Amino acid sequence: EVQLVESGGGLVPPGRSLRLSCAASGFTFDDYGMHWVRQGPGKGLEWVSGITWNSGSTAYADSVKGRFTISRDNAKNSLYLQMNSLRAEDTALYYCAKDMGEGSVDYWGQGTLVIVSS
Amino acid sequence: QSALTQPPSVSGSPGQSVTISCTGTSSDVGSYSRVCWYQQPPGTVPKLMIYDVSHRPSGVPDRFSGSKSGNTASLTISGLQAEDEADYYCSSYTSSGTVVFGGGTKLTVL
Repeated sequence: EVQLVESGGGLVPPGRSLRLSCAASGFTFDDYGMHWVRQGPGKGLEWVSGITWNSGSTAYADSVKGRFTISRDNAKNSLYLQMNSLRAEDTALYYCAKDMGEGSVDYWGQGTLVIVSS
Repeated sequence: QSALTQPPSVSGSPGQSVTISCTGTSSDVGSYSRVCWYQQPPGTVPKLMIYDVSHRPSGVPDRFSGSKSGNTASLTISGLQAEDEADYYCSSYTSSGTVVFGGGTKLTVL
């Protein structure tokens, strides 16, 4: 059974940093690309970032480019999102998601909540 | 990276059919077959319902079907059931190597 478990969310003041983690199990992690997708309170889904199986390629939404960095450690079956210069509009539930091919997501974690507020 | 355009809401009675549209551009929906549809009942995690425009994952009822014409993809739900009430989102791969979601459509079963 595929499991994706996010952690690292919390309440942080604007301008500060936070690092999210996602522990993956139930599939061969280093065979698949991964994504971070977020959902603001009462809002729709917003793709944040993606990374290929071997970290050879990464991509970001314009809204986070230059502030967020996606990475992975295949030896630890883990995905990360380093978030710097956080803004109020980054407040959201952040989902870790498994790619099944060019941006199609077949499994989602339960999400970790990030609140950016003073 | 503009969001794909979906109607904010649709509704239908049990047993009826509804169609949700998802309009993009030639840089996303119009150029790629990596169009997906996700179902998200309130307070739950999104669930993949359709991938690659028209393919259903195992376990998804065949009442759910997908199609695409030009820059617009569509999700059709036939034989509506109360349990289908949820938010639905489309997504597409883009020429920039990114992913874009639609704004979401709230389906109400009357």
